[in-house]
Amino acid sequence: SQQGEEDPQALSIQEGENATMNCSYKTSINNLQWYRQNSGRGLVHLILIRSNEREKHSGRLRVTLDTSKKSSSLLITASRAADTASYFCATVPYNTDKLIFGTGTRLQVFP
Amino acid sequence: DGGITQSPKYLFRKEGQNVTLSCEQNLNHDAMYWYRQDPGQGLRLIYYSQIVNDFQKGDIAEGYSVSREKKESFPLTVTSAQKNPTAFYLCASSKGWESAFMNTEAFFGQGTRLTVV
Repeated sequence: SQQGEEDPQALSIQEGENATMNCSYKTSINNLQWYRQNSGRGLVHLILIRSNEREKHSGRLRVTLDTSKKSSSLLITASRAADTASYFCATVPYNTDKLIFGTGTRLQVFP
Repeated sequence: DGGITQSPKYLFRKEGQNVTLSCEQNLNHDAMYWYRQDPGQGLRLIYYSQIVNDFQKGDIAEGYSVSREKKESFPLTVTSAQKNPTAFYLCASSKGWESAFMNTEAFFGQGTRLTVV
């Protein structure tokens, strides 16, 4: 079973627009992470937010975490064509040492 | 360069054969993971290991086996018992437990694409 589900499954936007992806998960967590995957490649870590944090920024990325709703969002501001990729959230369920991935959002940014 | 290496990049298997996918890391990481990814899907956890000589089943371990004899290496064997092995396989590593929480990122290899012919 997958811990997280991303919404939307696919997103198409124009360069310069903001992209927002949401992740919902099922159980209490130690932390939540976001990863990016270019087609047919491995995943690259973007940002990690701990369960006691509510918001985190890294460059054009902004992540929020609402543990009461068991949800997180990833905002990419001023998107670029190079941001085209699949984005996954991943969680470490509380008191486990697993890293569980969600279903992913495919982002397409048109020039 | 430090990193995590998977080999081969492409692998073809005949039905009924066992095949082994290699995963090696020189990051001195304790934890290693194997995931399966089907087209357009997320990653599903097959096996993971937090320490040498110990590993745990993930969500879809049936038809797979692993070993962790060395810290650097975590090979995955896809056995003939795996009914639908065609998929993209990803290996990852991380520092593992730090204090009471695993607040560390995972590093991924470039994957092995396995096809049954």
